[in-house]
This record gives sequence, C-alpha cells and structure tokens, in this order.
Amino acid sequence: NAGVTQTPKFRVLKTGQSMTLLCAQDMNHEYMYWYRQDPGMGLRLIHYSVGEGTTAKGEVPDGYNVSRLKKQNFLLGLESAAPSQTSVYFCATGQITGELFFGEGSRLTVL
Amino acid sequence: AQRVTQPEKLLSVFKGAPVELKCNYSYSGSPELFWYVQYSRQRLQLLLRHISRESIKGFTADLNKGETSFHLKKPFAQEEDSAMYYCALTDRGSTLGRLYFGRGTQLTVWP
Repeated sequence: NAGVTQTPKFRVLKTGQSMTLLCAQDMNHEYMYWYRQDPGMGLRLIHYSVGEGTTAKGEVPDGYNVSRLKKQNFLLGLESAAPSQTSVYFCATGQITGELFFGEGSRLTVL
Repeated sequence: AQRVTQPEKLLSVFKGAPVELKCNYSYSGSPELFWYVQYSRQRLQLLLRHISRESIKGFTADLNKGETSFHLKKPFAQEEDSAMYYCALTDRGSTLGRLYFGRGTQLTVWP
C-alpha cells in the first residue's frame, strides 16, 4: 500500500522544455490536487480534480495543464517551462472530509 | 484574498519551553481548520483538526470563532517538534474538498 506516489522526484529542465509529473494513488480517493510549495508562500493550489475525467483550476493554474483519465492517476504538465516554475510540487488526495494525504514531493528546477 | 494567516515565518524556542504557533483566518462560510506538519525530508501530514478536539503529540488547538483564530499550542516543546507547520482551512459547506493553506511557520526547538 504505497499511498500517494509522485514521479519523478527530481528534474532539471531548460527554459522552454516540457515535462509531465505523475501522481498515482492506491487509496481510492475521489479528490486529487496539485500544489506548489515555495519559500515564504506556503502551498498554493495549481489544479485539482473531484473525480475521474474532471479537472478544475486552482489559485495559480497559468503555465500548467492537468489530466485525470484514470481515477488513480493525476498528471501535471508543463508545456513550456519557465524559471518561475522552479518549485517543489506536491500531489495530494482526499475525500470530502478535508484530510489530505500527500506525496513526497517533486523538486523541479528550470534553468 | 488571504484566508489563512500565519504571522510568524520563523519561531524558535528552547526544549521544555511552551510554544504557540499562531493562525488567524478570514472566511465567511463554515470553515473547518487543520494543522499540517512537515518534518525534515518527510511528506506533509495531518497533525490535528478542530472538529476532533484531540491532542496529538502533546499539541492542542482551539478554534476561537470570536477572534477567528486557531492557534497551535504545546506546553513543553521537544527537539523532535522542529518542523514546518501549516494551518489550513476548508469549507464544510463545499463539495470540492479544497484546502487553503497559510504560508507556514518554521519551528526550531533548541536543546
């Protein structure tokens, strides 16, 4: 029972490159979220999903896209990476109760 | 609009001293408040939530609706309490399950 797994854990990109972060969960949760964590800014919601096939924008969605084709997976894509997207990205899952379960984080550096 | 405010970015205390991490919120709906903790090199995890009224690892937090606060307290801090603490809020009346996080307080407990 892995819980919430994020891949990759580390990645270095050049400006303009694209990449996809994968979040996989085996908790059968309906809700999935992508946050970014920056020093002094806390966690900010990028996109989220309330069920398979659904996605919605969070607080800072620009420059990112997401897909939830399967209930257990939530993908975060960067089409054209920018240095401002250097951050630690966290995936989280939950039910309507409000408790979230987090992945270990993915550290992305954009040069 | 910032819904959750943690006024202290950094907080340092000595082992055995009392500690209080402040959290104030601004929300017109039916908020439910949480404290999440992130120990070094570990994933974020739920510490406590106001509806459960539990004491976890010696920490307690009381929701004060009049002062719109949810401060986290521990009478005798331990070195292993050193971590990043996030206050978070969700709307109990919403079906989205979204959490709004504060910017976090880094607690250091000195020996």
